[in-house]
Amino acid sequence: DAKTTQPPSMDCAEGRAANLPCNHSTISGNEYVYWYRQIHSQGPQYIIHGLKNNETNEMASLIITEDRKSSTLILPHATLRDTAVYYCIVRVALGAGNNRKLIWGLGTSLAVNP
Amino acid sequence: NAGVTQTPKFQVLKTGQSMTLQCAQDMNHNSMYWYRQDPGMGLRLIYYSASEGTTDKGEVPNGYNVSRLNKREFSLRLESAAPSQTSVYFCASSEHLAKNIQYFGAGTRLSVL
Repeated sequence: DAKTTQPPSMDCAEGRAANLPCNHSTISGNEYVYWYRQIHSQGPQYIIHGLKNNETNEMASLIITEDRKSSTLILPHATLRDTAVYYCIVRVALGAGNNRKLIWGLGTSLAVNP
Repeated sequence: NAGVTQTPKFQVLKTGQSMTLQCAQDMNHNSMYWYRQDPGMGLRLIYYSASEGTTDKGEVPNGYNVSRLNKREFSLRLESAAPSQTSVYFCASSEHLAKNIQYFGAGTRLSVL
């Protein structure tokens, strides 16, 4: 019940932009899209999240389509240290009230090559 | 600033043994979580604690118990370990339950023989 679809793997040359796609066609109108990554043998790390507008921070940019059915995470100048599994995540209800939990799929394994 | 600290990093148990996984955060976060990660599957929520003094079941709570000892610490206990509990366990914290920017520990790799 991952709610998102990502390619299982991608390659990128060092120094080039890495564009990681994600489909979330069933996302509801008020739900955010979150991106995390997990470097081998480490805990996941938050990258960025967004609702409908494009977002940018020191790690990455997030482009969300106007219909909100898909998004793209952009690492503008990928380095070898960006080799990791990248997770595109939406939330579902957690208990009563407005609380939400993250639903983790299998992500995209990004290999940045020298 | 250590963030989220988990101990131990590695553990091997025999079937039926018990153990407690420890987790502490120093970010003054209200909410804490325990996940497990198995090959070929995404992270699954075991238990969570919305705030000090509360705990609730996640997706896969069977075979586990938790204690929110204080605001900093959230432990996960396996009373009678089974081979199916062989996994990597991650603890995470967030400012509060509705804010899903979670900070993770380095994980505990547990093998149950």
